[in-house]
Amino acid sequence: GQNIDQPTEMTATEGAIVQINCTYQTSGFNGLFWYQQHAGEAPTFLSYNVLDGLEEKGRFSSFLSRSKGYSYLLLKELQMKDSASYLCAGVDSNYQLIWGAGTKLIIKP
Amino acid sequence: DGGITQSPKYLFRKEGQNVTLSCEQNLNHDAMYWYRQDPGQGLRLIYYSQIVNDFQKGDIAEGYSVSREKKESFPLTVTSAQKNPTAFYLCASSAQGGTGANVLTFGAGSRLTVL
Repeated sequence: GQNIDQPTEMTATEGAIVQINCTYQTSGFNGLFWYQQHAGEAPTFLSYNVLDGLEEKGRFSSFLSRSKGYSYLLLKELQMKDSASYLCAGVDSNYQLIWGAGTKLIIKP
Repeated sequence: DGGITQSPKYLFRKEGQNVTLSCEQNLNHDAMYWYRQDPGQGLRLIYYSQIVNDFQKGDIAEGYSVSREKKESFPLTVTSAQKNPTAFYLCASSAQGGTGANVLTFGAGSRLTVL
């Protein structure tokens, strides 16, 4: 079956760095998305990786290893507003999205 | 500003009643989607539409119905046949449907509670 695994909850300190991991098992693979979702709000697009390697966008970076079925989202210089859930979604061979349950990130002062 | 508007944000329903959730987009996107979000689970696709007057069932379509009479609008009806309708419902759109890994733009969601 298809599956996306990510930790349920993580805690980090303001100003620090945190890495949120995501492992995937999909029927075929056409890339991986990360979305950010503040409580009770719309998810918003963060990144899309289809090739191996690290892509950086300001304080956020996303990494993909296709051979390991693994991705991570790296958040630097954490701010209180980064407290949110981070959703990982893999794209299968039919271009359907397979969603993880999300990682709730708690930032402490 | 372009975006997706969902209404109502909160809705309470008695068992046995049908309710309709509104979703309107002004992004000129072709494809629209309805997802259900439950605690501890990933988003699950209910229905999607790649073009006006056409829509397909997603993974959990039973107990739901949709229409796509206009490009901008994709309402979702939660019928009395849906056994566990209490959930957070998200509408989304993408510039293109079909093949391709499309970036989704989401609405702010509608929280439905069945009393």
